[in-house]
Amino acid sequence: KQEVTQIPAALSVPEGENLVLNCSFTDSAIYNLQWFRQDPGKGLTSLLLIQSSQREQTSGRLNASLDKSSGRSTLYIAASQPGDSATYLCASPLVNDYKLSFGAGTTVTVRA
Amino acid sequence: DAMVIQNPRYQVTQFGKPVTLSCSQTLNHNVMYWYQQKSSQAPKLLFHYYDKDFNNEADTPDNFQSRRPNTSFCFLDIRSPGLGDAAMYLCATSGSSLGGRSYGYTFGSGTRLTVV
Repeated sequence: KQEVTQIPAALSVPEGENLVLNCSFTDSAIYNLQWFRQDPGKGLTSLLLIQSSQREQTSGRLNASLDKSSGRSTLYIAASQPGDSATYLCASPLVNDYKLSFGAGTTVTVRA
Repeated sequence: DAMVIQNPRYQVTQFGKPVTLSCSQTLNHNVMYWYQQKSSQAPKLLFHYYDKDFNNEADTPDNFQSRRPNTSFCFLDIRSPGLGDAAMYLCATSGSSLGGRSYGYTFGSGTRLTVV
């Protein structure tokens, strides 16, 4: 069974600081890895999808890396803004499985 | 825009009164999922459909049922809601290209269920 861990559970930074969110997983036979953002009381918004054959993906201020051999993914958010305050979840299905294994999330607060 | 739409956004139901939540998608993805998310917890998979094939999670209570009449629509039925069923219910889809490249998961905005 895949276990996904996110550290830290919560993070508070001043505006403009770069954010580093960590995700680790126990089984490297993943189909892909996805980072989501969730605002309070809302659904999940996909931020980045990294295919198992890729090492990283970038979108604007966001960059996510994937190292299957060490079972780690890292989400970098450059020059954080108060609007980046949310919970960030990483999730991944195993190869030949459709079920997403979620981490518990990192709740980010960016102080103005 | 292609998307996953859930209705209603908020649902209040009485204890024991059946309730149905709906989900539709325009992505033409072949897999649809229902997740339950309680406060400050990760989403928990209830069941999923691969095309018309229904797959129930072992720990999903019998109180929860699902229907998928066609590719676009999927319904979550809670036969006798209890106070413990109050949660956010998330619908999601996933698909892949003919070459096997994953499109990842797309989630709807969720339905917040309150049981009174």
